[in-house]
Amino acid sequence: SYVLTQAPSVSVAPGQTGRITCGGSDIGSSGVHWYQQRPGQAPVLVVYADGDRPSGIPERFSGSNSGNTATLTITKVEAGDEADYYCQVWDSSSDYPVVFGGGTKLTVL
Amino acid sequence: EVQVAESGGGLIQPGGSLRLSCAASGFSVRDNYMSWVRQAPGKGLEWVSLMYTGGSTYYADSVKGRFMMSRVSSKNTLFLQMDSLRADDTAVYYCARGDDRGVKAFDTWGQGTVVTVIS
Repeated sequence: SYVLTQAPSVSVAPGQTGRITCGGSDIGSSGVHWYQQRPGQAPVLVVYADGDRPSGIPERFSGSNSGNTATLTITKVEAGDEADYYCQVWDSSSDYPVVFGGGTKLTVL
Repeated sequence: EVQVAESGGGLIQPGGSLRLSCAASGFSVRDNYMSWVRQAPGKGLEWVSLMYTGGSTYYADSVKGRFMMSRVSSKNTLFLQMDSLRADDTAVYYCARGDDRGVKAFDTWGQGTVVTVIS
């Protein structure tokens, strides 16, 4: 089955730009979605289809996807952005269509 | 407002059974694909099961043959029947709604229900 690889942790200073990557074989051919999960809360969709944002998600959140790497970028990082972030793809050809990455803990210094 | 709310979790002994419910509001569970996703303590998200609008279902290997997903349209509710429970099934179980845009993302999640399997 398809595997998505994320770094366990990323640290960024307030006001700076944070980048979280998601690696997978030819992931650029798939639509990648990103979820934010704050401690003790349910996941929230923050970016879908590589780079679109649901209503209510700040423009500071953006995404890109090419080759073997998808990236979630958070500009002007705030303390409230500290959370776990998960990437997800859909493998339509598989009996296991929903695939999540292992998650990245974003720490705001 | 589109919402889902899980219930039915609890403490159960190994080998026991539980049935989780996911009550939907603001949309019909027949019109969206739906999934169960779980999160073991201190771990990441793990996909458990998926039901397409047509009713076909898919399961992760870790639960195949033990868990069954179903829906009752008249109650607008999704279910997850969990049998032969094991300690490693201990997790928060989330119900998630597939998006309306067809991009295969989950745009609405419940707050989760906790399942603890312990002898």
